[in-house]
Amino acid sequence: DQQVKQNSPSLSVQEGRISILNCDYTNSMFDYFLWYKKYPAEGPTFLISISSIKDKNEDGRFTVFLNKSAKHLSLHIVPSQPGDSAVYFCAASDRETSGSRLTFGEGTQLTVNP
Amino acid sequence: NAGVTQTPKFQVLKTGQSMTLQCAQDMNHEYMSWYRQDPGMGLRLIHYSVGAGITDQGEVPNGYNVSRSTTEDFPLRLLSAAPSQTSVYFCASSYDGTGDHEQYFGPGTRLTVT
Repeated sequence: DQQVKQNSPSLSVQEGRISILNCDYTNSMFDYFLWYKKYPAEGPTFLISISSIKDKNEDGRFTVFLNKSAKHLSLHIVPSQPGDSAVYFCAASDRETSGSRLTFGEGTQLTVNP
Repeated sequence: NAGVTQTPKFQVLKTGQSMTLQCAQDMNHEYMSWYRQDPGMGLRLIHYSVGAGITDQGEVPNGYNVSRSTTEDFPLRLLSAAPSQTSVYFCASSYDGTGDHEQYFGPGTRLTVT
């Protein structure tokens, strides 16, 4: 079963507008969530994370929101830039494994049009 | 620091051949993992290690073998390659239980099995 799901395979936005990428999870043991960005022919790179004790974490243009009751998180990018065009993966870990293993969603291809 | 390095970058195998994908990190990380990325399926965990001499299976371990004799190296062995193992393989490493669950990824190995 897919414990972390990203239901939108792709998203297209205009430069300067907001990009919102969504992620749902089913495992209530997950207590830490991460977003990774991946360019073609490169490895994923860490973008931003959030602990389950918070509902929001912000880093520059990137903000992650966590709704534990809905088991839902989202990544907001404001303003979006063409260089943000990449595949974004949502990932989760639980306190037992403490970051030794991550469970990933399927990824969302973000395209930011100039 | 070179971070996480993987060799080779590309490999073509015939069905039934065996090979080893190399992974090394110079960040003194205790945790190391292997993932495979397939279209529409995100990254799936193959095997992981929480320290030298300790390994465990992930979500899709069949057909793969690992060992961890040093902190730095975590090779992945394909015992008898099958077309279903055509994929992009990523190695990752992370700190030991500091609360920071971020994993650092290598650039990947693109494997084709014919």
